[in-house]
Amino acid sequence: GAGVSQSPSNKVTEKGKDVELRCDPISGHTALYWYRQSLGQGLEFLIYFQGNSAPDKSGLPSDRFSAERTGGSVSTLTIQRTQQEDSAVYLCASSLVIPPPRDEQFFGPGTRLTVL
Amino acid sequence: SQQGEEDPQALSIQEGENATMNCSYKTSINNLQWYRQNSGRGLVHLILIRSNEREKHSGRLRVTLDTSKKSSSLLITASRAADTASYFCATVTGANNLFFGTGTRLTVIP
Repeated sequence: GAGVSQSPSNKVTEKGKDVELRCDPISGHTALYWYRQSLGQGLEFLIYFQGNSAPDKSGLPSDRFSAERTGGSVSTLTIQRTQQEDSAVYLCASSLVIPPPRDEQFFGPGTRLTVL
Repeated sequence: SQQGEEDPQALSIQEGENATMNCSYKTSINNLQWYRQNSGRGLVHLILIRSNEREKHSGRLRVTLDTSKKSSSLLITASRAADTASYFCATVTGANNLFFGTGTRLTVIP
């Protein structure tokens, strides 16, 4: 079956522009997660969704970042007024259920964002 | 920070040798997971070990967990060139969020 897909795979934008990143989770997965991986760094948790609601937004680095999920499926991560430090690979993951049982997260290939 | 830290940051071995990577973390966990990331590709889940387990095997992988020392190790036996990748440990505490370390870059030389 299809895994987690993300689009675009690469995005180059100019400083100050807004960008939207899309994630299509595995069908039937109720939990969806966004992470960011900066060059040479580990993964940084951004936000997760249980269904369409986001109980934990604590990882969003600033109010320029927002995310939504509709229909319990597709999610978009929006970054407004992008800054150069936003350059990173943005990874999406999904899992069957949350909380217990603690389940494996399946990751998409990521979107590489470059802010010039 | 709850983030795990892997050691070493980079490891280079000959094909056929064993590779050992270590992970330390700071808070109590529900489980610890190891992931692999090949260049240009997404993360792949390798193995999960729960806080009440001490050792787990999966194929050529062996993971240990010492909750008293807040550390874990990943052993890859009989390494292959295809094992070349970055390996991350990730800890899970309350909700099913993963807190990742910075990773170990493994290079297996044919």
